[in-house]
Amino acid sequence: KQEVTQIPAALSVPEGENLVLNCSFTDSAIYNLQWFRQDPGKGLTSLLLIQSSQREQTSGRLNASLDKSSGRSTLYIAASQPGDSATYLCAVRWNTNAGKSTFGDGTTLTVKP
Amino acid sequence: ETGVTQSPTHLIKTRGQQVTLRCSSQSGHNTVSWYQQALGQGPQFIFQYYREEENGRGNFPPRFSGLQFPNYSSELNVNALELDDSALYLCASSPTGAQEAFFGQGTRLTVV
Repeated sequence: KQEVTQIPAALSVPEGENLVLNCSFTDSAIYNLQWFRQDPGKGLTSLLLIQSSQREQTSGRLNASLDKSSGRSTLYIAASQPGDSATYLCAVRWNTNAGKSTFGDGTTLTVKP
Repeated sequence: ETGVTQSPTHLIKTRGQQVTLRCSSQSGHNTVSWYQQALGQGPQFIFQYYREEENGRGNFPPRFSGLQFPNYSSELNVNALELDDSALYLCASSPTGAQEAFFGQGTRLTVV
């Protein structure tokens, strides 16, 4: 069964800290992986998309990596700020059904001033 | 701003009623997908439409149905509402099914 897991479910850090969010997936035959941010009660904002052939993507203070062989992706946030507080979701599309995204349950990040 | 607009933003319905949720995608985005997100969980795939035809469905009963129109708008219809249908419903569009998905802000449905 193709599943996506995000651990921990919640994370609290002081402002300025660098942090890593984890995403694990059960099947390495992925098409792409996308990281999203979700503020409470809101929709999803796309942060980074990594294609199967790529190892990482960067945007500003964010860096996402992909290791298909180990079934893992990480989202690195540098110099965290209170405005980074949100839930971060990863979504995987597999080759067997590339039109459907399977999401993890997210990691809720709180950055304390 | 993703260019994907959903309406209404909030909705309260009574158990057993029917509801229609709407989504307006970006021009040129031929694929629209709908997701259900329960509180504290990740979104669950309901179905996908490509050029007005359903071409993928998740583990949802037939009372969840949809339509996609040539003007890049779409609808999610849910019949015989149940309390467990209370959730945030998200619409996502992309040029084709496998490219980067852009999500709307969602419709919060509460069934009482």
